[in-house]
Amino acid sequence: GAGVSQSPSNKVTEKGKDVELRCDPISGHTALYWYRQRLGQGLEFLIYFQGNSAPDKSGLPSDRFSAERTGESVSTLTIQRTQQEDSAVYLCASSLAKKNTEAFFGQGTRLTVV
Amino acid sequence: AQSVSQHNHHVILSEAASLELGCNYSYGGTVNLFWYVQYPGQHLQLLLKYFSGDPLVKGIKGFEAEFIKSKFSFNLRKPSVQWSDTAEYFCAVNTYNQGGKLIFGQGTELSVKP
Repeated sequence: GAGVSQSPSNKVTEKGKDVELRCDPISGHTALYWYRQRLGQGLEFLIYFQGNSAPDKSGLPSDRFSAERTGESVSTLTIQRTQQEDSAVYLCASSLAKKNTEAFFGQGTRLTVV
Repeated sequence: AQSVSQHNHHVILSEAASLELGCNYSYGGTVNLFWYVQYPGQHLQLLLKYFSGDPLVKGIKGFEAEFIKSKFSFNLRKPSVQWSDTAEYFCAVNTYNQGGKLIFGQGTELSVKP
């Protein structure tokens, strides 16, 4: 596609429910990132996929968070048993998996846990 | 672990004032350096980037940044800001040789008064 696409753009969920966030990267981009941006804060790295390598999950804040990516296509970020502190904008970015290239960001999914 | 530090959380300037936003990173190896900007209600977009070569890089909208390797710094500058520069600015580092993870600073909110 022309850009990184994320869905839904907004999600309101009740505490304790599971949510799935979707990211469609730019076609041909083998690297994909998920970040969390809490209100008034910076971008917190969550997870990074690069091609067929094992993902870097070092940023996932708890075992309630998981992400999958099939090949070089869509990725889903799943948050189980959501808590109010999970409320944030979840950003996805993709890039070519080579040196000297920049990441392109989607519009994000604003998650509100009530 | 590598980290990125932005010194200013919120900067308030009048139009035509000069701007310098500080960014320091902690990583001893080869890095790619970026400044991203997030205008109100919009997604993150690339302002400028440094991969190699001339340490003074120019980006869009009159912004520039200087990579000083000895200081582990990549400060953003603009000689004369405009009201339309009001946005949040993020410094980011990609340590490609360590797997390509893109790490962001906490962001600096810039408010330009007309």
